[in-house]
Amino acid sequence: GENVEQHPSTLSVQEGDSAVIKCTYSDSASNYFPWYKQELGKRPQLIIDIRSNVGEKKDQRIAVTLNKTAKHFSLHITETQPEDSAVYFCAASRNTGFQKLVFGTGTRLLVSP
Amino acid sequence: DTEVTQTPKHLVMGMTNKKSLKCEQHMGHRAMYWYKQKAKKPPELMFVYSYEKLSINESVPSRFSPECPNSSLLNLHLHALQPEDSALYLCASSQLGTGQETQYFGPGTRLLVL
Repeated sequence: GENVEQHPSTLSVQEGDSAVIKCTYSDSASNYFPWYKQELGKRPQLIIDIRSNVGEKKDQRIAVTLNKTAKHFSLHITETQPEDSAVYFCAASRNTGFQKLVFGTGTRLLVSP
Repeated sequence: DTEVTQTPKHLVMGMTNKKSLKCEQHMGHRAMYWYKQKAKKPPELMFVYSYEKLSINESVPSRFSPECPNSSLLNLHLHALQPEDSALYLCASSQLGTGQETQYFGPGTRLLVL
C-alpha cells in the first residue's frame, strides 16, 4: 500500500520568510496530492492540491510542486504570516472514484512575528 | 452550502455505553468517510461509503459500526469502546468520479472514553 513520508516534523520561521515542506510517496499509481492545514482544535482544511498531470500549481502565497519521477512533492509558502502557524499534512491517493487518502505525519509550522 | 457538519462536538462515554456520532453534508457528494485522529497524528481512514454502500473498512474493530442512511447522512455507532478509542473522529465527503474528488472535512467529534 501507499506510504507517505513528510519532513520536517517541525519548522520555525520568522514572519516574512519562506517555508518549504517536503513529502515522498511510494505508490507510483498515486495521482492526487492534496495539502491540508489544521489549526489547533480545528478541522483539516484543504489549502492546495495537485494532480499527476501537472508539475506545479500556485495560489497566491502558496505553491505545490510535484516530481513524479522522484515521487516527491513539496509545499512552498512565501511571505509567511503568524496566521500560517498550524500543522500541515500532505496526502496521496489513487483515483478510484473516491479518494483513499494516505496522510504524511504532519509538519508543525511556527511563524514568529 | 460547502460545509460538513458533525454532532455532537464533544462526547464522554463509559465503556458500557452505546452512542452514535452523526455527520451531514448537503453538497451532493456521494462519497463519505470516517477518520480517527489521535493527538499530534494524521487522520487515519476508518470507513468509506460510496453511493451509500460501504466500500472500505480499514480493519476497524466491530465496536465501531458505520451506517449511511441516505446520501446526506453518515453515522458511526459506538458500543463497548475502550479508553484507547478516545480521539477526534472526523467525517469527510467528496464527489465521486468527476475528477474533482476533493475531500471536505467536518469539525469532528472529540470523544473521551472513561
